[in-house]
Amino acid sequence: DTAVSQTPKYLVTQMGNDKSIKCEQNLGHDTMYWYKQDSKKFLKIMFSYNNKELIINETVPNRFSPKSPDKAHLNLHINSLELGDSAVYFCASSPVASRNTIYFGEGSWLTVV
Amino acid sequence: GESVGLHLPTLSVQEGDNSIINCAYSNSASDYFIWYKQESGKGPQFIIDIRSNMDKRQGQRVTVLLNKTVKHLSLQIAATQPGDSAVYFCAETGGYQKVTFGTGTKLQVIP
Repeated sequence: DTAVSQTPKYLVTQMGNDKSIKCEQNLGHDTMYWYKQDSKKFLKIMFSYNNKELIINETVPNRFSPKSPDKAHLNLHINSLELGDSAVYFCASSPVASRNTIYFGEGSWLTVV
Repeated sequence: GESVGLHLPTLSVQEGDNSIINCAYSNSASDYFIWYKQESGKGPQFIIDIRSNMDKRQGQRVTVLLNKTVKHLSLQIAATQPGDSAVYFCAETGGYQKVTFGTGTKLQVIP
């Protein structure tokens, strides 16, 4: 009964490749997010979608493109991967009524070599 | 820019003792302050939050204290258990749907 599920959990890929991380939530939340956590555990928001509409787009290279086909899914596509993209990417969701209560997925460990 | 930060990167506590994790913030316009717990290999998990118009809130074995005068937030864990070992993040929200996380404190519980 995973609330926020993301795949793949581990991804090792070469520089220059394009990859996608998929995310689905079964909580009925209207808002979904992508967060990036670096090697020092610093957690930073990348994108936020509310009912499939982009709400927050932090200073993220345009090589990163989120796609929300419906409010239960928010996928992250990354073009031309760079070494600095290596991190853990967390998908998350929250209900509109309680935006502080963010439910995170288990994370996707991306390593670019 | 605005930031949320923690005083101690690592805290070691004897099992059964109380733990206090501290956090300093700089955005005085924040509405809510939140604590998250991240266990190894997992995503952060919501613990407790507090509105900016409160100074104390209690949950099960946890208490959050907010001192707006000095822009300080703390998480107190009573009778710390091995399962409390994790990285703890304070976070704040002042803008629509944007939760900003601090740098994290690792809590190590010594059996």
